[in-house]
Amino acid sequence: SQTIHQWPATLVQPVGSPLSLECTVEGTSNPNLYWYRQAAGRGLQLLFYSVGIGQISSEVPQNLSASRPQDRQFILSSKKLLLSDSGFYLCAWMLLMNTEAFFGQGTRLTVV
Amino acid sequence: SQELEQSPQSLIVQEGKNLTINCTSSKTLYGLYWYKQKYGEGLIFLMMLQKGGEEKSHEKITAKLDEKKQQSSLHITASQPSHAGTYLCGADMGSNYQLIWGAGTKLIIKP
Repeated sequence: SQTIHQWPATLVQPVGSPLSLECTVEGTSNPNLYWYRQAAGRGLQLLFYSVGIGQISSEVPQNLSASRPQDRQFILSSKKLLLSDSGFYLCAWMLLMNTEAFFGQGTRLTVV
Repeated sequence: SQELEQSPQSLIVQEGKNLTINCTSSKTLYGLYWYKQKYGEGLIFLMMLQKGGEEKSHEKITAKLDEKKQQSSLHITASQPSHAGTYLCGADMGSNYQLIWGAGTKLIIKP
């Protein structure tokens, strides 16, 4: 069956520290992968998406980067976290537009 | 302004009552998704609509897409505590890869 794993669930990091959030997908091949950030009372803001290994598209200029080292692995990173990076981060995958999008359980990041 | 407007922002409903959440766009929607989210968790897929006038139901939840494909509604009949959460609509507005999302409607069910 198709599943998506995202970890960690919660993270508290000091300002200026690095970040690595990982997302892996099982049960499918060549998915489109997405990183979203969700602010309280707001919709999902698309940060990055990837249509294949090594292919990353950035939607919002920011302090974050993404990588896709393997077909079903998507990593969100930062070299130096800012307070404004705090938020709820969601990983998702879908095969094609107008098919179901599957979401991970999310990571609550607090930068202190 | 947001491309996809969702209303109301929040809703408090007595258990057993019906309710409707709306999702509106000024552009044609090529696909419209409804998801439910419990606080601090991922999104759970409810339904997807693509055709003008399409209507889908699952248990006590019905979603409709209007004929012009610019507005969708989510209707819950005889609400239960298990319906509480945040409902988000997402839409394909012609992009090859990304969905646009509404801000969500927080639903609280009063016992």
